[in-house]
Amino acid sequence: AQRVTQPEKLLSVFKGAPVELKCNYSYSGSPELFWYVQYSRQRLQLLLRHISRESIKGFTADLNKGETSFHLKKPFAQEEDSAMYYCALSPSDDYKLSFGAGTTVTVRA
Amino acid sequence: GAVVSQHPSRVICKSGTSVKIECRSLDFQATTMFWYRQFPKQSLMLMATSNEGSKATYEQGVEKDKFLINHASLTLSTLTVTSAHPEDSSFYICSARDQKRGGRAETQYFGPGTRLLVL
Repeated sequence: AQRVTQPEKLLSVFKGAPVELKCNYSYSGSPELFWYVQYSRQRLQLLLRHISRESIKGFTADLNKGETSFHLKKPFAQEEDSAMYYCALSPSDDYKLSFGAGTTVTVRA
Repeated sequence: GAVVSQHPSRVICKSGTSVKIECRSLDFQATTMFWYRQFPKQSLMLMATSNEGSKATYEQGVEKDKFLINHASLTLSTLTVTSAHPEDSSFYICSARDQKRGGRAETQYFGPGTRLLVL
């Protein structure tokens, strides 16, 4: 069975400061990893996925198979980044998503 | 872009009654839809996978007779909470997979959620 762990429930940073959201996973095969974001009063939406290796809204995430981690980073946080962030995993042979507990990010002016 | 709607957005019902929640894919066809449950300040827990034209697949610990799922068309899945009790109060979220885009889980699009309160 797969498991996704986000150790930080709350994260508060100042505008312009770097932000890193931690995500660790456990899965025996080769999973796909994702970061989803939920802004206030909005629905959950995909932020980025590890296979595309892209940067969205300044965020990047690198899959580290040795450490089974998929941490989300942004060098300069903006106030509009304040949201709930979920790390999610999909097994290699399925469409199902397993979500972490989520991290609430607050970016202060 | 792909849009998924849910109806109603919120519902209050009396204990013992049944409540139906609809999930629609508005501009794409979805052979697979997923139903999640989210408790306050907690993560989304997958309840079941809804398959068009066939029976839903429930996750371990989810009562299929309690949470009835029907996926009668390529754009509509319904979740019926039968004989609802206060402990069923929660936020229910659906997602729909755009089959034409192929790929894997990233082609899931989420609905806005339905808040259920059972008195």
